[in-house]
Amino acid sequence: NAGVTQTPKFQVLKTGQSMTLQCAQDMNHNSMYWYRQDPGMGLRLIYYSASEGTTDKGEVPNGYNVSRLNKREFSLRLESAAPSQTSVYFCASRLPGNSYEQYFGPGTRLTVT
Amino acid sequence: KQEVTQIPAALSVPEGENLVLNCSFTDSAIYNLQWFRQDPGKGLTSLLLIQSSQREQTSGRLNASLDKSSGRSTLYIAASQPGDSATYLCAVRKGSNYKLTFGKGTLLTVNP
Repeated sequence: NAGVTQTPKFQVLKTGQSMTLQCAQDMNHNSMYWYRQDPGMGLRLIYYSASEGTTDKGEVPNGYNVSRLNKREFSLRLESAAPSQTSVYFCASRLPGNSYEQYFGPGTRLTVT
Repeated sequence: KQEVTQIPAALSVPEGENLVLNCSFTDSAIYNLQWFRQDPGKGLTSLLLIQSSQREQTSGRLNASLDKSSGRSTLYIAASQPGDSATYLCAVRKGSNYKLTFGKGTLLTVNP
């Protein structure tokens, strides 16, 4: 099992450019999540998907869109990148059942200039 | 609004020492609490998860305790090693919703 994988690992964008961050998991988990991690702020939830075909806003959804393409894949799109979106982005998926234990990918480090 | 605080923000200890990391949360009505480890430039690795009905969980040299009524959890690391150097994060889940609220972490350095 590769677990949770994310691409790309690093990305530099100019203000106003768009891009999609990709996430995939091979653990047959139903729920998937996107977080951002900023110095001094901790991790904050952007969007989550409880199951294939559903998505919901988290704590900081503005400026982002998501797509749950199938059970394996959950992508995060920045339509018009802003410097405030410079961050490290983590995707996670959740173990089925009542434990709600989450497993994280290695992250994408995004810089918007 | 749930707030999670981790103290200390950074800790440096000599190898072999036993140590305790602290996590406190403002709303005691949690579903569970999860401890993670994060190495520099890497993702989060789940260490231990404690359900609200449990008092502690153990994995190898790690022991996590939970006192829900006082809003506190501790992560005890026995016989620390340089390989334990990392940032340790705790996160709580309230109810059956999907949101984890994270603390800002404790940066642990274990010196050889």
